[in-house]
Amino acid sequence: AQSVTQLDSQVPVFEEAPVELRCNYSSSVSVYLFWYVQYPNQGLQLLLKYLSGSTLVESINGFEAEFNKSQTSFHLRKPSVHISDTAEYFCAVRGVGDDKIIFGKGTRLHILP
Amino acid sequence: DAGVIQSPRHEVTEMGQEVTLRCKPISGHDYLFWYRQTMMRGLELLIYFNNNVPIDDSGMPEDRFSAKMPNASFSTLKIQPSEPRDSAVYFCASSKQGPNTEAFFGQGTRLTVV
Repeated sequence: AQSVTQLDSQVPVFEEAPVELRCNYSSSVSVYLFWYVQYPNQGLQLLLKYLSGSTLVESINGFEAEFNKSQTSFHLRKPSVHISDTAEYFCAVRGVGDDKIIFGKGTRLHILP
Repeated sequence: DAGVIQSPRHEVTEMGQEVTLRCKPISGHDYLFWYRQTMMRGLELLIYFNNNVPIDDSGMPEDRFSAKMPNASFSTLKIQPSEPRDSAVYFCASSKQGPNTEAFFGQGTRLTVV
């Protein structure tokens, strides 16, 4: 079985500052990893995903995440945040050979002016 | 495609009443997931289907909860009888076959049981 831990429930950061949202996972099999974003009163949208190959994956809006197998981590980073990045971010894992998608509890990103 | 469609968007009901949440997945998707989101527990997987067949319902909290998928384009999540602690946002998501594909989410149903 897989599990996901997002250590920070909330992260405040000033506009144009860098941010890192942490995600650690546990699994006995190889995994696929995802970051989703949820804007207020909306469903979850895929931000980026790691399937295989390069351990660094990027989204179209400047976010990136790096898969670190030895540390079982998939932290999300952005070098300079914008007010529009205010949202809740969820890390998710799907095990190879397992169909379930398990989510972390989410990290709420607060952008301070 | 219009994406995953859930109805209703909001539901307010009295304790003890039956509640039915509905979901239409994206056409051609083989998997359908039901999640519940609360502040305390985050996003919990309740049940998922593959080709209309329930595969894992271990996340369903109690016998009061049941889910069906009579065909590839429709699923329901029913709570009978409802209780105040069932108040949450319920999401439906669908994905294609294969573990390396992401899930697409509906807008959710906000359920309030008073």
